Amino acid sequence: AQRVTQPEKLLSVFKGAPVELKCNYSYSGSPELFWYVQYSRQRLQLLLRHISRESIKGFTADLNKGETSFHLKKPFAQEEDSAMYYCALSGEGDKLIFGTGTRLQVFP
Amino acid sequence: DARVTQTPRHKVTEMGQEVTMRCQPILGHNTVFWYRQTMMQGLELLAYFRNRAPLDDSGMPKDRFSAEMPDATLATLKIQPSEPRDSAVYFCASGLGQAVGEKLFFGSGTQLSVL
Repeated sequence: AQRVTQPEKLLSVFKGAPVELKCNYSYSGSPELFWYVQYSRQRLQLLLRHISRESIKGFTADLNKGETSFHLKKPFAQEEDSAMYYCALSGEGDKLIFGTGTRLQVFP
Repeated sequence: DARVTQTPRHKVTEMGQEVTMRCQPILGHNTVFWYRQTMMQGLELLAYFRNRAPLDDSGMPKDRFSAEMPDATLATLKIQPSEPRDSAVYFCASGLGQAVGEKLFFGSGTQLSVL
């Protein structure tokens, strides 16, 4: 079975502080992992994917198969990063499963 | 700018009434997902289709929910009868090909309130 766990419902930091949004997954096969973001009054959209190993808006995420984690990190948070972040896993049958989400609040 | 269109944007209904939510996927996309968003559960997968065929609807309460794709341009999610615990935001998303997680496009959602 596929499962995604985001242990924090809310993460609050000050502008300029480092951010790490945690994501752990459970899947017996080879997973594909993604981070999606929902800004206020906007649609949910893809932020980044583990396959491309890219940095988007200063965010990076590394797949750690040993720890079954895909944490999202940014060294210096900005106020515009405030949003709802969802970790997602694509596994069997290309089914895309999301975690419960973490709300990031960045204070000035 | 191609978008996934969901109607209605908001729906308030009374317990026991039928609710139908509609989704128009992006033209050419062959995979459609239905999700329900709540504070407690986050985004729960209800059902998904590929080439209009249902692949998985195990996330749906079968006794009251049903999902269909009458044609490639329309996906529907029905609740009958609706209950207060169904109150949530329902999202439709569409994608193309096998690796849909690569680029899944979401609609604006239908905010459902069942009184």
